[in-house]
Amino acid sequence: GAGVSQSPSNKVTEKGKDVELRCDPISGHTALYWYRQSLGQGLEFLIYFQGNSAPDKSGLPSDRFSAERTGGSVSTLTIQRTQQEDSAVYLCASSRRVTGAGGYGYTFGSGTRLTVV
Amino acid sequence: KQEVTQIPAALSVPEGENLVLNCSFTDSAIYNLQWFRQDPGKGLTSLLLIQSSQREQTSGRLNASLDKSSGRSTLYIAASQPGDSATYLCAVMDSSYKLIFGSGTRLLVRP
Repeated sequence: GAGVSQSPSNKVTEKGKDVELRCDPISGHTALYWYRQSLGQGLEFLIYFQGNSAPDKSGLPSDRFSAERTGGSVSTLTIQRTQQEDSAVYLCASSRRVTGAGGYGYTFGSGTRLTVV
Repeated sequence: KQEVTQIPAALSVPEGENLVLNCSFTDSAIYNLQWFRQDPGKGLTSLLLIQSSQREQTSGRLNASLDKSSGRSTLYIAASQPGDSATYLCAVMDSSYKLIFGSGTRLLVRP
C-alpha cells in the first residue's frame, strides 16, 4: 500500500490478557520499527528489524513484550499479561534500508491506541 | 547516550508570525535529523529530513537547518497559519539506526 498500515486502530483489553498489534509496512521497506507513546510522553523506541538481521530488541520494557516479522514484511507486536501501565499508543514505522551513511526517513503509521482496564 | 531536547515546550503566536523551533542533541555522531508533525490523536507526519552531510532543507514555508558539530537544529516556519497548530518533534538517527526523539514543541497559531 501507499503508507504504513496498523491494526487495530483502537484496542481495549482487560488486565492480564494478551494482545497482538499488527503493522503492514510500505512495500519494499526493509527496516521496520516499533515505538510507544504514553500519554503526555515522548516516543520510546521498542524494537527494530532490518532485513534478515537479528532484531534490535534493546528497547523492549520487559519480557512480556515480543515482536516478530514474517517474510520480511508484516510485523506483530505481542504483549502478554497486559498491565495498566502498558496503555499507550503503539506506533510502527518503516524505512528503506538504513545501513551506511545518510540513512533514510521514516514513515509512520497512525498507531494503535491500547487501553488496559 | 544520545539525548534530544526541544525548546520551547509550548509556543503560542498570532497568525502571520515567523517562528523558530529549537532542537539540540548531545552526541554529534548521527546519520540524519528529521522533523515531524503530530496532530492530536494522530500519527507522525514527516516534514523534513536533513542528512548528516547537509546544512539545511526547505519545503514550502518550512526551513530546517543542522549544525552537527554544535548539536543543534532549528525549524523555521514562515508566515504561520492556524493550520500549522500541532506538536513538532525533532529526532536524530543514532549510530545504531534508531530514531531518538525530543519531547516536542506544542505550537498554537491563533487566528
